[in-house]
Parts: sequence; structure tokens; C-alpha cells
Amino acid sequence: IAGITQAPTSQILAAGRRMTLRCTQDMRHNAMYWYRQDLGLGLRLIHYSNTAGTTGKGEVPDGYSVSRANTDDFPLTLASAVPSQTSVYFCASSGQGGTGELFFGEGSRLTVL
Amino acid sequence: GQNIDQPTEMTATEGAIVQINCTYQTSGFNGLFWYQQHAGEAPTFLSYNVLDGLEEKGRFSSFLSRSKGYSYLLLKELQMKDSASYLCAVVDSNYQLIWGAGTKLIIKP
Repeated sequence: IAGITQAPTSQILAAGRRMTLRCTQDMRHNAMYWYRQDLGLGLRLIHYSNTAGTTGKGEVPDGYSVSRANTDDFPLTLASAVPSQTSVYFCASSGQGGTGELFFGEGSRLTVL
Repeated sequence: GQNIDQPTEMTATEGAIVQINCTYQTSGFNGLFWYQQHAGEAPTFLSYNVLDGLEEKGRFSSFLSRSKGYSYLLLKELQMKDSASYLCAVVDSNYQLIWGAGTKLIIKP
């Protein structure tokens, strides 16, 4: 693993199903983030974690949950997917918190039908 | 509310120069980022400005005026591979990133 890895890269999901997007980084960065990106809108922060064991809500947290059991992993869970959660999801990490360069995963394209 | 404004789309010619503007209104300011995002790919870091002035990095330069709430990204000697979206993002007083919607740059031969 080099950098930050997301899985799956693409998924079609029936509404109401539970889904977990995985994110792993090997850079030992303390801060990790989940964003969604929709056409015509900027990246919107879903949840973040400043360090292992802590998480916080971003701009659009409803319908999503995260955990940060260790430094490397930051999974995002949709408990019961809805069509409005169709989006491209990016996981990112930073070694310097708010003012540090973000390193992004390749993205997970999720379609909820 | 917090707001970042960028043009939605710009077109330029290969070999030319283009300036992409970003204006912002945020609660506090702790720096401004520019990221490049090719279609279907992840954003990648281009520059970070926290003090007023011009930062040059190869063919790309980024300018900041904190008093005007304004930044621009200047791309020189445009190449076809520069066709991408360019994202402006501001770090607010809570050290959260506020993102613009991005500017899609189309390069024509």
C-alpha cells in the first residue's frame, strides 16, 4: 500500500441496504476526512477524525457514521442507503491537520437505486 | 454564511496563459489551497498561500490578497494535460476547509 487506498472503487446499491466504504492510509497521518463530491458542488465534508479514537461531524453528516479505531483506517458506513447518497466519495488524510496538504484516495463511486 | 466563488468553466489555448480567480467570504482565514482534479480522478495539491503575494512553482503561480478576499491561480505555457478542474479551498477560523465548486479548464489546441 502506498498513500491512501479506498475500496470499493465503484458500487451499485439498493436503497435501504447498509454499505461500508473502506479507507486505509500508510502515511501515519493523524487527520483523516470523508468528503462527497456532487456535480456543480464543492467537496462537502461528511465526517473527520483529528486523531485515532476521535471523530467529528462535518457539513453533511446525516445518514453516515465513521469510526477511527487506529491511525490507518477510517471506514464510512451508510446505515440505510438512500438515492440522495449517490455520489463520489473521497477519503483524505493530512499530516498537519487543517493547514496541511490533503492526500486523497482515488474515490468510491456509489450509486443508490 | 461562508462562500467561495470561482468561475464554473474557462477555455484557453495551448501555449497561452490563463488566470483562474477565487473570491472568498469566510469566518476567519488560515490559508488558501489550490488543487487540481482531472476528470474521474482525485484532487491533487498545487499550492498553499497564507501570506499576501505571489508564490511561483514552475508553470503555476498562486496569488493571495487577504484584504480583498481574493486569490488567483496563474497557469503559463498551457499544455493539453492542464485540462482539469481547479479547486480553491479556504481554511477558516476553526481550521476547517471550505471548498469552492471548482473551475473546469478546457484547453484547445
